[in-house]
Amino acid sequence: DQQVKQNSPSLSVQEGRISILNCDYTNSMFDYFLWYKKYPAEGPTFLISISSIKDKNEDGRFTVFLNKSAKHLSLHIVPSQPGDSAVYFCAARASGTYKYIFGTGTRLKVLA
Amino acid sequence: GAVVSQHPSWVICKSGTSVKIECRSLDFQATTMFWYRQFPKQSLMLMATSNEGSKATYEQGVEKDKFLINHASLTLSTLTVTSAHPEDSSFYICSAPPLSGANVLTFGAGSRLTVL
Repeated sequence: DQQVKQNSPSLSVQEGRISILNCDYTNSMFDYFLWYKKYPAEGPTFLISISSIKDKNEDGRFTVFLNKSAKHLSLHIVPSQPGDSAVYFCAARASGTYKYIFGTGTRLKVLA
Repeated sequence: GAVVSQHPSWVICKSGTSVKIECRSLDFQATTMFWYRQFPKQSLMLMATSNEGSKATYEQGVEKDKFLINHASLTLSTLTVTSAHPEDSSFYICSAPPLSGANVLTFGAGSRLTVL
C-alpha cells in the first residue's frame, strides 16, 4: 500500500523552462510535506517543505503547491537548470510523528 | 545546522559475513535515528527507528535479527546487517529527526552495501 506516490518515474525538460513534479498521497492525516533532491550514492538533501495549513510555499526557483482536497502536491522549478538534474522525492508525515513516508521518486533531466 | 555523518560510504563483503554501518550526529544530540533502505530506482523505505537507551522499533516486514540496530549514545546509532546475502545489497541511509522547532529530516550520505 503506497501511501505516497509519484506516478512519473522520469521527466525531461529543456533548460530555462519550468519543471513540474507531482506527488499524490492517500492518508488525510499527513500534515507536513517535504521535497528532497537526491544524487546517486548520496543522501537526500532537503529542498522545500509545506505545511498542510498552507497551499503554497516559495523559495527562490522552487515552489511547492498543495491541494488538500485532491491530496496532491507539486514542485515547480523555474527556470530549470542542468544542475537540477537528479531524483526528486516527496515525503509526507502523519500529524504528531517524525516518520516520513517517501514517494518512489521522479528522475528529472534538464537538457542544456 | 544539523549534520549527520554516516560510515562507511561503500562496503563490499562476502556472503555470510556481518557488516556494521555507523550513523553519527556531529553537532547535536539525537535520541532517535531513522534507518532507511533504498533499492535501485525505488523509494526510500523506512526500516526502523533507533531509540537511545531502548530497543529499536522495526517497521512491518523488517527482520529484527537480520538488521540489528543499536543506539549506544546520544550521538551514535549503528545498523548491523548480520549474515549478509546478496539480496541485502542496497543503499542504507540514516537520518535524524528535526531539531526543536524544525520539521526537516537530516540525512547522512548513505552507505552502499554490496554482498558478493
